[in-house]
Amino acid sequence: NAGVTQTPKFQVLKTGQSMTLQCAQDMNHEYMSWYRQDPGMGLRLIHYSVGAGITDQGEVPNGYNVSRSTTEDFPLRLLSAAPSQTSVYFCASSSGTKNTEAFFGQGTRLTVV
Amino acid sequence: AQSVTQLGSHVSVSEGALVLLRCNYSSSVPPYLFWYVQYPNQGLQLLLKYTTGATLVKGINGFEAEFKKSETSFHLTKPSAHMSDAAEYFCAVSGNNFNKFYFGSGTKLNVKP
Repeated sequence: NAGVTQTPKFQVLKTGQSMTLQCAQDMNHEYMSWYRQDPGMGLRLIHYSVGAGITDQGEVPNGYNVSRSTTEDFPLRLLSAAPSQTSVYFCASSSGTKNTEAFFGQGTRLTVV
Repeated sequence: AQSVTQLGSHVSVSEGALVLLRCNYSSSVPPYLFWYVQYPNQGLQLLLKYTTGATLVKGINGFEAEFKKSETSFHLTKPSAHMSDAAEYFCAVSGNNFNKFYFGSGTKLNVKP
């Protein structure tokens, strides 16, 4: 009963480094998305995908890349990490029908020094 | 477009007292509304949701919320707070684009013994 799995749970990066946050879901959901959570700002949408091969930008896409080669996986890439990207990142998936909610992973806490 | 406003970033109640967390939304289409709870260092867990039908929605852990269209509100209540209710609570809305969820800034609930 895995649901949405994110790795790693914690990561420290130096400014300018790149890395990929992994996200996988086993619910056969078409829709997947990435959010960042910052104190007092709730969750803000970074990128989302409506199916394999289709991605789009959310509210705060700058500095991040995504791709969706399979239904299950939706990795988030930080191209050149900056201290402003220090945050907690959540991956979510949903079936996309009217009455369903988003299911969240446990989060990745990223610190950029 | 959709947006959510949560009044009060911190709410403190005594154990056994009424819990009231406020959420107002803006939506150009009939909204779908959600309340999530986040315990420390964990992901978001669905408490309850309103899609259509009965405007008073019951969720897990004794929480309920009432959709009031005239007031564009979806306040979360629980008659008697328990220490285990201490967490951060997020209100969210989705609309026509069912894979996009818009979150409020969150309310941290503190329960005093």
